[in-house]
Amino acid sequence: DADVTQTPRNRITKTGKRIMLECSQTKGHDRMYWYRQDPGLGLQLIYYSFDVKDINKGEISDGYSVSRQAQAKFSLSLESAIPNQTALYFCATSDQINEQFFGPGTRLTVL
Amino acid sequence: QQQVKQSPQSLIVQKGGISIINCAYENTAFDYFPWYQQFPGKGPALLIAIRPDVSEKKEGRFTISFNKSAKQFSLHIMDSQPGDSATYFCAASDFNKFYFGSGTKLNVKP
Repeated sequence: DADVTQTPRNRITKTGKRIMLECSQTKGHDRMYWYRQDPGLGLQLIYYSFDVKDINKGEISDGYSVSRQAQAKFSLSLESAIPNQTALYFCATSDQINEQFFGPGTRLTVL
Repeated sequence: QQQVKQSPQSLIVQKGGISIINCAYENTAFDYFPWYQQFPGKGPALLIAIRPDVSEKKEGRFTISFNKSAKQFSLHIMDSQPGDSATYFCAASDFNKFYFGSGTKLNVKP
């Protein structure tokens, strides 16, 4: 089984809809991250969390919110989706020595 | 402002050749410099990483060269193979957050 799973893998939605992307991990890591990937821009950090009670904004948090429901679960929400949020979204976990482990990604299209 | 600058955007190398990807950073607080490899439809996966107390790290055909004074680091892929064709990202971490380069799409021709 994959260590970091993301659901859904693909999602098409309409402008103004609320959408939630979910991430689960079995690696036992405290640190979890949400990234957005756009062609030519690499990975941009949206939010990160170092434990269940810790939530931090990344470089591009506007229009997004997160929830850390448990050590193993970290969800990303788009409260009112807009077309320029069309992108690949990745969840990642890390341990104390920095190595990050990425999920398979969610391809989101906002029409 | 992009914290980590990566070049080139794309690279074509013949099988058996050397692939070189370069990255530069400004923040001297960075203390961990990983390289990630990403295949289409997959998430990035750690390839090799270095800390600033060493100037070079080699793992098989992959080598990171690190120049602390110039704030630059590079990935060298020796004897490049078609299976190495992927997108490569450099990154830098200050223990709290990771900052990624914009990626290099490598195509190794048979």
